[in-house]
Amino acid sequence: DQQVKQNSPSLSVQEGRISILNCDYTNSMFDYFLWYKKYPAEGPTFLISISSIKDKNEDGRFTVFLNKSAKHLSLHIVPSQPGDSAVYFCAASAFMSGGSYIPTFGRGTSLIVHP
Amino acid sequence: DAGVTQSPTHLIKTRGQQVTLRCSPKSGHDTVSWYQQALGQGPQFIFQYYEEEERQRGNFPDRFSGHQFPNYSSELNVNALLLGDSALYLCASSWDYRGRPDTQYFGPGTRLTVL
Repeated sequence: DQQVKQNSPSLSVQEGRISILNCDYTNSMFDYFLWYKKYPAEGPTFLISISSIKDKNEDGRFTVFLNKSAKHLSLHIVPSQPGDSAVYFCAASAFMSGGSYIPTFGRGTSLIVHP
Repeated sequence: DAGVTQSPTHLIKTRGQQVTLRCSPKSGHDTVSWYQQALGQGPQFIFQYYEEEERQRGNFPDRFSGHQFPNYSSELNVNALLLGDSALYLCASSWDYRGRPDTQYFGPGTRLTVL
């Protein structure tokens, strides 16, 4: 039972256009959300995060939107660049009994940005 | 400032053997988490170590065990290897914010192949 779903396995975008990656979650206890980017043969790299008390967080070309009522978040990349081509993982965290936040990851979306 | 490092990079073992993977956290981090990433999947949480103790555990059998040392580095041990244990093993480190959400930073991973 997947608690974090990235329903698009892949996305193809032209350089300079907007990339929109989507993520849905089912557990209402999640209250901290993150996006990671992963290149082949490397570990995931942290991109941007958002707390459940906000609905938008922006960092340069990257913006994450959170719609709590729909249990949906999205990552916007504007403008997209060929170097953005990678697998993007959405992660949702909840406070666990052990005393820390543990992220649950989606399966990832492979973004290809064409020159 | 060194990031998260892991060793070895690649490892090939046979069924029934035991393996030990190593991780050094990012400078200033005191918490280490381990993940298993199978092909085409997102990282799955194995366990987290803080103050040299296992603080939180995911849905993995007791064959998976770990340790954290006083310098915050960590080991992941897997006994009685199965073919299904073949995966990328990721280590992530973070700073414990005493119950507040944190961001985990990942190492490059160890690719384990079980034959």
